[in-house]
Amino acid sequence: DAGVTQSPTHLIKTRGQQVTLRCSPISGHKSVSWYQQVLGQGPQFIFQYYEKEERGRGNFPDRFSARQFPNYSSELNVNALLLGDSALYLCASSFDRGNTEAFFGQGTRLTVV
Amino acid sequence: ELKVEQNPLFLSMQEGKNYTIYCNYSTTSDRLYWYRQDPGKSLESLFVLLSNGAVKQEGRLMASLDTKARLSTLHITAAVHDLSATYFCAVDWGRGSDMRFGAGTRLTVKP
Repeated sequence: DAGVTQSPTHLIKTRGQQVTLRCSPISGHKSVSWYQQVLGQGPQFIFQYYEKEERGRGNFPDRFSARQFPNYSSELNVNALLLGDSALYLCASSFDRGNTEAFFGQGTRLTVV
Repeated sequence: ELKVEQNPLFLSMQEGKNYTIYCNYSTTSDRLYWYRQDPGKSLESLFVLLSNGAVKQEGRLMASLDTKARLSTLHITAAVHDLSATYFCAVDWGRGSDMRFGAGTRLTVKP
């Protein structure tokens, strides 16, 4: 079975641009969460989606948004990119939203110049 | 607000030695995870600890959870170079997949 897949793996954007990151969860998993990992730090929670609805949001500005599709895949959008948005963006998939193990994708490395 | 603190943040060990990484958290939770991350890579799940007193072992790594003390430990026995990586603990505070991570312990095992 395929694990969590994310695309693209690497991305370079200019300040002020917009970016969309994609995630496909493990087959059968209905919950997708997004994390931002700045170099040298632990991952920070951005969003959780379950059954196509936002179920949790971390302390990130409104420039960050996400959605989940009927097939449970998800997109993370970031508008008006700042240099500080440069990070590894990780998607985690779990069977449901409550207290089940999460499996991480390989991440998207975003560099804002 | 849930806080998760790991120590040490940096650990340099000789091969063959033992050491323990500590993870303290600030609010009630009975579910804690340990992950390994190699440079430039994603997170690899090591252990899922689901209840007070839980102990799990895999190879040279053993993890335990004391929910009353809000403390988890990751013990390394007879370290080898292949264990060099960053280790994160993460606490699930019951809101689904909103895990709060520690800052990580960067482990280097030297011959």
